[in-house]
Amino acid sequence: GAVVSQHPSWVICKSGTSVKIECRSLDFQATTMFWYRQFPKQSLMLMATSNEGSKATYEQGVEKDKFLINHASLTLSTLTVTSAHPEDSSFYICSARDRTGHNSPLHFGNGTRLTVT
Amino acid sequence: DAKTTQPNSMESNEEEPVHLPCNHSTISGTDYIHWYRQLPSQGPEYVIHGLTSNVNNRMASLAIAEDRKSSTLILHRATLRDAAVYYCILRGSDGGATNKLIFGTGTLLAVQP
Repeated sequence: GAVVSQHPSWVICKSGTSVKIECRSLDFQATTMFWYRQFPKQSLMLMATSNEGSKATYEQGVEKDKFLINHASLTLSTLTVTSAHPEDSSFYICSARDRTGHNSPLHFGNGTRLTVT
Repeated sequence: DAKTTQPNSMESNEEEPVHLPCNHSTISGTDYIHWYRQLPSQGPEYVIHGLTSNVNNRMASLAIAEDRKSSTLILHRATLRDAAVYYCILRGSDGGATNKLIFGTGTLLAVQP
């Protein structure tokens, strides 16, 4: 089945530094990838939609200058948390849809747990 | 986006069937009903989806009411590995390239041995 690989699975960084998270579709091409974050005991919150070769579309309330998204190829999207602060500590999850149809299932990565100290 | 309503939590015994309900009274005619589940500390996993007819796959069955205002995810024999949060999500089929999945609070399923 379709696999989405997310790296790293966890990261600890100091306040003020930037962290890059990679999301790769391993055996399919993804024109669209989605980035979510999840706080403990809460549901997933959609942050942005990443489109290959174009600018990402951010959900209301998500700062595009803080959460930089790049989708340079059909198999790779990256999320960079810039100038991270402790309140950015969260579980970040990406997902991807293959090109077979707009109602095909989304495939999710296993998430990246970010801790900002 | 049309909303769904699910119980916060449910309990089941191992090897017994589980029926997870979902209400979606404002569903539009082109919305598909999707189910995903999330095990602890993992990303969500696709379970099943359907439009009008009942659907079966190796993981579960999806029973959709005739008026489409509710649906039920059926796990035929629950195992301990089925303990997860189950999300019922409506997803538009407007042909747009994005088709965002907006997650609600889901149902936390506990499976007792």
